[in-house]
Amino acid sequence: SSELTQDPAVSVALGQTVTITCQGDSLRSYYASWYKQKPGQAPALVIYGKNRRPLGIPDRISGSSSGDTASLTITGAQAEDEADYYCSSRDSGGNHLLFGGGTKVTVL
Amino acid sequence: QVQLQESGPGLVKSSETLSLTCVVSDYSITSGHYWGWIRQPPGQGLEWIGSVFLDGTATYSPSLRSRVTISVDTSKNQFGLQLTSMTGPDTAVYYCARQILHNGYDFPDHWGQGILVTVSS
Repeated sequence: SSELTQDPAVSVALGQTVTITCQGDSLRSYYASWYKQKPGQAPALVIYGKNRRPLGIPDRISGSSSGDTASLTITGAQAEDEADYYCSSRDSGGNHLLFGGGTKVTVL
Repeated sequence: QVQLQESGPGLVKSSETLSLTCVVSDYSITSGHYWGWIRQPPGQGLEWIGSVFLDGTATYSPSLRSRVTISVDTSKNQFGLQLTSMTGPDTAVYYCARQILHNGYDFPDHWGQGILVTVSS
């Protein structure tokens, strides 16, 4: 498969929990990585592998995977979590990198 | 902390070739991993262009393969992108990134700040 599918937008109330998903056949074979992008900034890695976070990423951000779907969960959403989130993974053949279309997270 | 910095023209004429360079600091390209280019048209999502390994082996997105060359210069600790036959849809912010090898697969973990390239007619 050569696609990763994400919902275009979700909203979450301040302090509540939101989960965004990424679906694709290649996710049965490869972990997803997740990126947070604020307007005018480069994407920043927030989750990779089996729910691993780079230094500085708060533990309220977590990742999981089941079958062909990877998920990113923000527990206790804060204003600074408002951003676009992209998933990424290898394609099914393992030769190329794919990105999902992105999910815009709005914190109300 | 790996740092990457893109450089090149901000404006390219239609049908011309884009050439960008990414200088890597505080990390040696020869230490391993892949080095990639990713672009983002205004208001749109991310698109992987391709990547190169330290030995010069490159892989490209199928949709751009016919127009792309990615090369590496280990002596200058930098890598480059050439994209031929530029047209309006190629207008985008172009990012360079390290695609770190981790447990048998790779993903971008450090990104440059990006450079906006506009194609003019």
